[in-house]
Order: sequence, then C-alpha cells, then structure tokens
Amino acid sequence: NAGVMQNPRHLVRRRGQEARLRCSPMKGHSHVYWYRQLPEEGLKFMVYLQKENIIDESGMPKERFSAEFPKEGPSILRIQQVVRGDSAAYFCASSRSNYEQYFGPGTRLTVT
Amino acid sequence: DQQVKQNSPSLSVQEGRISILNCDYTNSMFDYFLWYKKYPAEGPTFLISISSIKDKNEDGRFTVFLNKSAKHLSLHIVPSQPGDSAVYFCAASADNNDMRFGAGTRLTVKP
Repeated sequence: NAGVMQNPRHLVRRRGQEARLRCSPMKGHSHVYWYRQLPEEGLKFMVYLQKENIIDESGMPKERFSAEFPKEGPSILRIQQVVRGDSAAYFCASSRSNYEQYFGPGTRLTVT
Repeated sequence: DQQVKQNSPSLSVQEGRISILNCDYTNSMFDYFLWYKKYPAEGPTFLISISSIKDKNEDGRFTVFLNKSAKHLSLHIVPSQPGDSAVYFCAASADNNDMRFGAGTRLTVKP
C-alpha cells in the first residue's frame, strides 16, 4: 500500500490524557500537512512540515498541540491534556514539491 | 479568516442531471485550485485541479471552471451519478504550498 497511512484509526482518551497521532507519508513525499475536521465542519489546516522542519504552524492552537516530522519515522501530532473540544477527525496529507496533496484515512479522536 | 468559501452546505440533484458546486476565494495570491471528494469515514481524495493560468480543466464527467476576476471557481459534474454523492471540498494554494479548504458541500444524487 503506497498511500498515506495514519494510525490509530480510532483513539479514545480521557480528559487530561495525551493523544499521539501518527502519519506515514507516501513514498517519496517529504511534505506533510495536518488538518482537523470538527463535527459538521470543513477541513481546517493545522500545520505544514518538511523533514525536521515546521514550515507553517499558523493553524495550530497555541497550547497543548505540537507536531514533528523527524528525519526517520512518521510525523507525529501530539495533543497534551486533551479536552472534549479536541474530539475530531484528524487528517494527514503528504505531497512532493507540487501542490497535490494525498490524504490518509484519518484518525478519529474521541475525548471522554 | 475564511480564505476559501463554499456557501452552499448541501446540494441535491437528480441522477443524470448536472451538479454545479461553487467556491469563492479572497486571497489573490492563490494560484492553484483543487477539488477533493470525501466519503464518510475516509480521507479526502483528489478529484481535479486547475492552475491560475487556465480557465477550464476537464476530466471525464468533471470540469472545473476558474474565473480569476471574480475569484470564483466551480465544479461541474455531468451526468451526475448516485456514486457521486459525497462531500466536495474546494481547496486553494499559493506558491508556498500551503492549502486552504472550504467548508465543503454535501452532494446528494438521487436515483
């Protein structure tokens, strides 16, 4: 499967716990993007990363959220001390240097 | 700051007829526009794109039109099929490769 992979597909966390979402881009893709889709809303850009660099994090909440894309391994979106409002579908996309982004299947986070 | 807007949250069309989905943008720096289709519980999939140097791009039943002066683009699907029922997202990007999405339009094609 050469597509973008995300895991887990479903994640349940209690309030105050940490959530770690993983994204493996398509082979040959060095650009990774994270989006959030709240219930009944569209996709909201969160962060754009290249290997070991955050290029644009203008869509990331100022606190509790962080993202990384290390030299080796998947990109990680980390949410500390989750709250109920963090419940959403989180999508990762990857691209080469062109504009077309390919999306993973998403991780559905539920905070109880 | 909603740079890409899809003002119709839903659209219902009869099978065989044309579906027209609209999208407006505010950032004149956008130079590449895309449409994505999304089924429930799946990630968006790329459908069709258009560069700002063109005003039309066609791929089978799907055609995207771009009106730069009006900062407006539209997706035409003809003939519409029940399998086209999905949420359609308009997206736009500027030279820095960031992409901004609209809120989506839910298309329902009735048999």
